[in-house]
Amino acid sequence: SQKIEQNSEALNIQEGKTATLTCNYTNYSPAYLQWYRQDPGRGPVFLLLIRENEKEKRKERLKVTFDTTLKQSLFHITASQPADSATYLCALGRDDKIIFGKGTRLHILP
Amino acid sequence: GAVVSQHPSRVICKSGTSVKIECRSLDFQATTMFWYRQFPKKSLMLMATSNEGSKATYEQGVEKDKFLINHASLTLSTLTVTSAHPEDSSFYICSARDYQGHYGYTFGSGTRLTVV
Repeated sequence: SQKIEQNSEALNIQEGKTATLTCNYTNYSPAYLQWYRQDPGRGPVFLLLIRENEKEKRKERLKVTFDTTLKQSLFHITASQPADSATYLCALGRDDKIIFGKGTRLHILP
Repeated sequence: GAVVSQHPSRVICKSGTSVKIECRSLDFQATTMFWYRQFPKKSLMLMATSNEGSKATYEQGVEKDKFLINHASLTLSTLTVTSAHPEDSSFYICSARDYQGHYGYTFGSGTRLTVV
């Protein structure tokens, strides 16, 4: 069955450093991959989408890579800030159907 | 940008009663909406896909008679939890896709349901 793994339940990063989150998947060939941010008690907020034929996408301080050979996506937040602290979800999709990973809780330490 | 409004944000109900959750796309039309359930520290689990003007498509293991979905217009989908039990307590979230925008899914703010 399809499986999505996001690295470690919680990640602590010092403010100003780059936070790197990992999303690995098996038994699936997504047409696209998305990253979302979720704050406690709230719905996820869309951040970035990267398609299977794209290697890298950037948006402000965010960068996403997508390696379909390794079946892995990396999500980077540069110059991290305490306000970036949240849970980040990886989601894989084909057509209209997407499946989510459990998420990684990121803590940016001041 | 695309906004999805979900109400109520929190609801407490007694066992055996029914609860309706509304999901509205405010500035775009959504022929398809999605309903998820999320347990603490778990991923979002897709429950059903709501199609405007037709029957919802339920995921395996989701009781369609338990979780009634109605998508009567291009901007409104509702999820009714019927004869609620404590094990139905969870965080329910809806989403829709705005094809004119960023091609990601826009989520509602979620509904925390507690059945006592």
